Amino acid sequence: KNEVEQSPQNLTAQEGEFITINCSYSVGISALHWLQQHPGGGIVSLFMLSSGKKKHGRLIATINIQEKHSSLHITASHPRDSAVYICAVRGINSGYALNFGKGTSLLVTP
Amino acid sequence: EAQVTQNPRYLITVTGKKLTVTCSQNMNHEYMSWYRQDPGLGLRQIYYSMNVEVTDKGDVPEGYKVSRKEKRNFPLILESPSPNQTSLYFCASSLGGSPEQFFGPGTRLTVL
Repeated sequence: KNEVEQSPQNLTAQEGEFITINCSYSVGISALHWLQQHPGGGIVSLFMLSSGKKKHGRLIATINIQEKHSSLHITASHPRDSAVYICAVRGINSGYALNFGKGTSLLVTP
Repeated sequence: EAQVTQNPRYLITVTGKKLTVTCSQNMNHEYMSWYRQDPGLGLRQIYYSMNVEVTDKGDVPEGYKVSRKEKRNFPLILESPSPNQTSLYFCASSLGGSPEQFFGPGTRLTVL
């Protein structure tokens, strides 16, 4: 089973700060997902990565396959970014099964 | 509107009383999946389906059954629920191996 570790577990930032959330995994993967879970519970897919870097608005996701590590960056953070961010990986030998990190709870204060 | 729907949204039941949580998507997605979310454990995959009549176990399939008789529906069946199945359940779908998974709103299940 692919162990997925996220750090930090909890993060408080002031509006405007640059935020980084990290995800490390233990075995080879075919894809890595970043998800956002709103305070109300709804989950939204942000990115899927298999290599390199992706950008969507103020969100940037990077992955380093050799180091088995991914980062999610939020530039110019805003209180509406407050949510739980979840990393999930699809192992090379796991078909379409996903293993999830426990999530990073982000609070952005005005 | 493209969406994944789950019913019921909230359910309180008793040990041993069979129940079904329905999941339906209107996007013609091949891939559907069920997850449970528990405090301190995060999301865990229960079962997934690559297409009609094709299902496979995820990380925590014990105590659950699924079926995929139609492309749009992927019900989760608890034949004999137990208190350790008290959880928040999410259904999700995606187009084949597409990056984006669309999640349902969640079903909060309490088994007494």
